[in-house]
Amino acid sequence: KNEVEQSPQNLTAQEGEFITINCSYSVGISALHWLQQHPGGGIVSLFMLSSGKKKHGRLIATINIQEKHSSLHITASHPRDSAVYICAVGLNFGNEKLTFGTGTRLTIIP
Amino acid sequence: AAGVIQSPRHLIKEKRETATLKCYPIPRHDTVYWYQQGPGQDPQFLISFYEKMQSDKGSIPDRFSAQQFSDYHSELNMSSLELGDSALYFCASSVWTGKDTQYFGPGTRLTVL
Repeated sequence: KNEVEQSPQNLTAQEGEFITINCSYSVGISALHWLQQHPGGGIVSLFMLSSGKKKHGRLIATINIQEKHSSLHITASHPRDSAVYICAVGLNFGNEKLTFGTGTRLTIIP
Repeated sequence: AAGVIQSPRHLIKEKRETATLKCYPIPRHDTVYWYQQGPGQDPQFLISFYEKMQSDKGSIPDRFSAQQFSDYHSELNMSSLELGDSALYFCASSVWTGKDTQYFGPGTRLTVL
């Protein structure tokens, strides 16, 4: 069993839909990261969470430490949101090597 | 704002050759991480450095070595390249306190023929 699991693995939605991607982890963590990877390969850090909720534009990330679960939400989705979204966890503050989930491939259809 | 710089962006090598990948962290970042992402796979942690010292080591083959220099840039040296080394190699940088996220470079795509 992977330490970090994401669902769904693939998600196709219509433009404008509300998107939710889930991440569950099985170990104690110092922080959880949501990353975005575009087809060209580059990785962009969206959020780093250790508790609660963060919002940036149309993106919202939440984490429940007790349940070892995090969600990434996208409101008013747009075709440019199409990418692979990766949940990754860090185990040690300061030395934050990341363990990555398998990613969710999101496709937004115009 | 300055980002993490990796060079080269693309590299093609033959089997048994050597390769050197370079990473220039964001200014004032003291920690560098190297990750390897094989085709269709999740990124895997290779090695990290803090203040020029190795801080952690992951699944890095003995054929690979890395170091961080006084200006905080890092180099990943890969010898006796194998076909299976073909991957996207990411470098990320951060500040050691761990209160900020890691910032990823664009990656170096290594193809071993």
